[in-house]
Amino acid sequence: GNSVTQMEGPVTLSEEAFLTINCTYTATGYPSLFWYVQYPGEGLQLLLKATKADDKGSNKGFEATYRKETTSFHLEKGSVQVSDSAVYFCALYDNYGQNFVFGPGTRLSVLP
Amino acid sequence: ETGVTQSPTHLIKTRGQQVTLRCSSQSGHNTVSWYQQALGQGPQFIFQYYREEENGRGNFPPRFSGLQFPNYSSELNVNALELDDSALYLCASSLLGLANGELFFGEGSRLTVL
Repeated sequence: GNSVTQMEGPVTLSEEAFLTINCTYTATGYPSLFWYVQYPGEGLQLLLKATKADDKGSNKGFEATYRKETTSFHLEKGSVQVSDSAVYFCALYDNYGQNFVFGPGTRLSVLP
Repeated sequence: ETGVTQSPTHLIKTRGQQVTLRCSSQSGHNTVSWYQQALGQGPQFIFQYYREEENGRGNFPPRFSGLQFPNYSSELNVNALELDDSALYLCASSLLGLANGELFFGEGSRLTVL
C-alpha cells in the first residue's frame, strides 16, 4: 500500500538557519505530493504541492521538488523564522484510490 | 467564502458510549473526508463521502460510520467508544476529481474517552 516516511523530530534550529525535512514515499501509481503545516492550536493548512515528477512546489520561502527517481519530496527553507515553528506533514494523494496518506509529522522549533 | 467548521471543539465521553461529530464543508466543495489524529501522529484516513455515498475507507472498524447530507455537510459517528478512540478528529473538504486533490481542513474535534 501507499506510505509516507518523514525524518523524526523534533528539529530545533536557530533563527535564519537552513532547514531540510526529509520525506520519502511509496506508492503504486503517480501520486500528487504535499506538505501540510499545523501551527499550534490550529488545523492543518496546505503549505505547498507538486503534482508530477520534477515539479517544484513553493510558498512562504519553503520549497520541495518531486523526485520520482528517489521517491522523495524533501522540504527546504533557506532562512527559518520563529514563526515557522509548527508541525510539518508530508502527504501523498492517491489519484486512483482518491484518498490522502500522511506521514507522522516533524515538529520544528525555531529559537530566536 | 466560508471555511470548514467542526463541532463540538472538545468533548469527553466514557468507554462504551456513542459520539457524533459534525462538519460543514467549504462552500462549493462536494467531498468530505474524515481523519483521526492521535497525539503526536499524522492524520489517519477514516473514510470519504461524495454525493452522500461513502467512496473510500481506511482501516477502521464498522463502529466508525458517517453520513453526508445534500448540502455536503457531514457527520462522523463512533459507537462503543474505546479508550484508544481518544484523538483529534479532523474533517476536510475538497472537490473530487481535481487533479491536485487539495484538502481544506477544519480545526478538529478533540475527543477524550475515559
